[in-house]
Amino acid sequence: KQEVTQIPAALSVPEGENLVLNCSFTDSAIYNLQWFRQDPGKGLTSLLLIQSSQREQTSGRLNASLDKSSGRSTLYIAASQPGDSATYLCAVASNSGYALNFGKGTSLLVTP
Amino acid sequence: DARVTQTPRDKVTEMGQEVTMRCQPILGHNTVFWYRQTMMQGLELLAYFRNRAPLDDSGMPKDRFSAEMPDATLATLKIQPSEPRDSAVYFCASGLSGETQYFGPGTRLLVL
Repeated sequence: KQEVTQIPAALSVPEGENLVLNCSFTDSAIYNLQWFRQDPGKGLTSLLLIQSSQREQTSGRLNASLDKSSGRSTLYIAASQPGDSATYLCAVASNSGYALNFGKGTSLLVTP
Repeated sequence: DARVTQTPRDKVTEMGQEVTMRCQPILGHNTVFWYRQTMMQGLELLAYFRNRAPLDDSGMPKDRFSAEMPDATLATLKIQPSEPRDSAVYFCASGLSGETQYFGPGTRLLVL
């Protein structure tokens, strides 16, 4: 069974810092990997999707990388802002149905 | 702006009662997923469909949970009888096979 781990579980940084969130998975035979953002009491918002054949994806200040062979992905957030405060979830699709296995998330707090 | 909708948004019920949650996927999406989120377990897959056909429901307690897609615009998740341990937020998501999954706002269920 695919296990997804996110480190750290919580992170607090001052505004303006660049930061990296880490995600690891145990089975490298994946179809894709998706990063989500979840605000308290809300649903999940998709940030980036990386297909298994891709190495990275970028959207604005966000950059996600994928190293399938080592079972790792990172989410890089540039010039963090207080509005980036949320929980960030990494999820891996490991079967042809594309159902997602989620990590427990990294809770990010960006202080002014 | 196409979105996944879920009803009800909140549900409080007593143990033993039947609970039905509904989801309207984004028009044109061929895959629909049900996930459950708890503090202890995080996000877990319950069941999913492709082109309305169930692909996998191994994440659900079979004796009390059932998931169906009576038509392309409606997915249902039913719990009968409900138990306090079923208290969680239930999310529906839809997407095209292998592409980004879009999540609904969730149904917050409390079983007393």
